[in-house]
Amino acid sequence: DIQMTQSPSTLSASVGDRVTITCRASQSVSSWLAWYQQKPGKAPKLLIYKASTLQSGVPSRFSGSGSGTEFTLTISSLQPDDFATYYCQQYNFYSWTFGQGTRVEIK
Amino acid sequence: QITLKESGPSLVRPTETLTVTCSLSGLSLTTSGVGVAWIRQPPGKALEWLALIYWDDDKRYSPSLKSRVTITQDTSKNQVVLTMTNIDPVDTATYYCALRLRGVLDFWGQGTLVTVSS
Repeated sequence: DIQMTQSPSTLSASVGDRVTITCRASQSVSSWLAWYQQKPGKAPKLLIYKASTLQSGVPSRFSGSGSGTEFTLTISSLQPDDFATYYCQQYNFYSWTFGQGTRVEIK
Repeated sequence: QITLKESGPSLVRPTETLTVTCSLSGLSLTTSGVGVAWIRQPPGKALEWLALIYWDDDKRYSPSLKSRVTITQDTSKNQVVLTMTNIDPVDTATYYCALRLRGVLDFWGQGTLVTVSS
């Protein structure tokens, strides 16, 4: 199994802050890495796929980078609507795996 | 407009078999490249990928649940069904289905909460 490890588990930040979340894979997943945003009681929403491609309709303050085993999701200027939990997911192998999530909360 | 909707029992007894159904609208399951995945999320916990079925009936399973989970599709009804045997209270979760279009899970259903309790 490919293990996906996100850090930090929880992040406290203020509106306007630049926020970075890291996702590490236990072995290379090339660029087959996606990021999702989930709000309480709602289904996850796709933000970024293929490590750095922004899904249509997603604000440009979100960006993704990385390849191989290390990836980052960056929010350039945190907005009130961005307080949520973020998950990475690899889709390179026979079986897919999610990270354990990073909760972004208001400082 | 593409939508997915999960349906199934809200309460299941331990040791029983769980069956949840995903109904897809706006796109045919037989469209080349399409896949439907099942993902679950226990209350307050992380997402867990369970299984995936492709348009050509190729199937993939989570290694940790492979012995208990089966994914099938009924193309005449445009539905994907997940069955999980020998259900346990730790299987209490919201079960989501999601559509794979560009290799990744582009569209998600709203989820259905399944509680396992005697």
